[in-house]
Amino acid sequence: KQEVTQIPAALSVPEGENLVLNCSFTDSAIYNLQWFRQDPGKGLTSLLLIQSSQREQTSGRLNASLDKSSGRSTLYIAASQPGDSATYLCAVSTGNQFYFGTGTSLTVIP
Amino acid sequence: DAGITQSPRHKVTETGTPVTLRCHQTENHRYMYWYRQDPGHGLRLIHYSYGVKDTDKGEVSDGYSVSRSKTEDFLLTLESATSSQTSVYFCAISELGVAYEQYFGPGTRLTVT
Repeated sequence: KQEVTQIPAALSVPEGENLVLNCSFTDSAIYNLQWFRQDPGKGLTSLLLIQSSQREQTSGRLNASLDKSSGRSTLYIAASQPGDSATYLCAVSTGNQFYFGTGTSLTVIP
Repeated sequence: DAGITQSPRHKVTETGTPVTLRCHQTENHRYMYWYRQDPGHGLRLIHYSYGVKDTDKGEVSDGYSVSRSKTEDFLLTLESATSSQTSVYFCAISELGVAYEQYFGPGTRLTVT
């Protein structure tokens, strides 16, 4: 069974700092990896989708990389802002399901 | 934002009562999913559907059933609710399955007392 791990569970940084969130998975036979943002009491918002054949994807201040062979992905957030405060989840698709990590709770301090 | 709604958004019910949660989409996506989110466990798949009347189990399907009679609607039923089913339930859609992006609804917070 696919296991997805996100470390750290929580992260607090000052505004303006660049930061990296980590996601690891145990089965490298994935179709894709997706990063989400979840605000308290809300649903998940899709940020980036990386297909298994891709190495990275970029959207604005966000850059996600994928190393399928080592079972790792990183989400890089440039010039963090207080509005980036949220929980960030990664999910990988294997077989006929998506598997989720438990998320990293990010707080950006003004 | 993808057109996904869930109803009700909040519900409190008693142990042993049946409960039905509804997910409605306006995107005409073929795949629909039900997840539950619990602290320490992340999101776990309950059931999914790959077409009208076509459904399959996820990793935590015990105590839950689903139905999909129309492309746009996916219902999750707790036949006899238990306290362990207190959770936040999310519906998601995907155009053609796991190779495609998932989009989530706003969630339903269910409390079983």
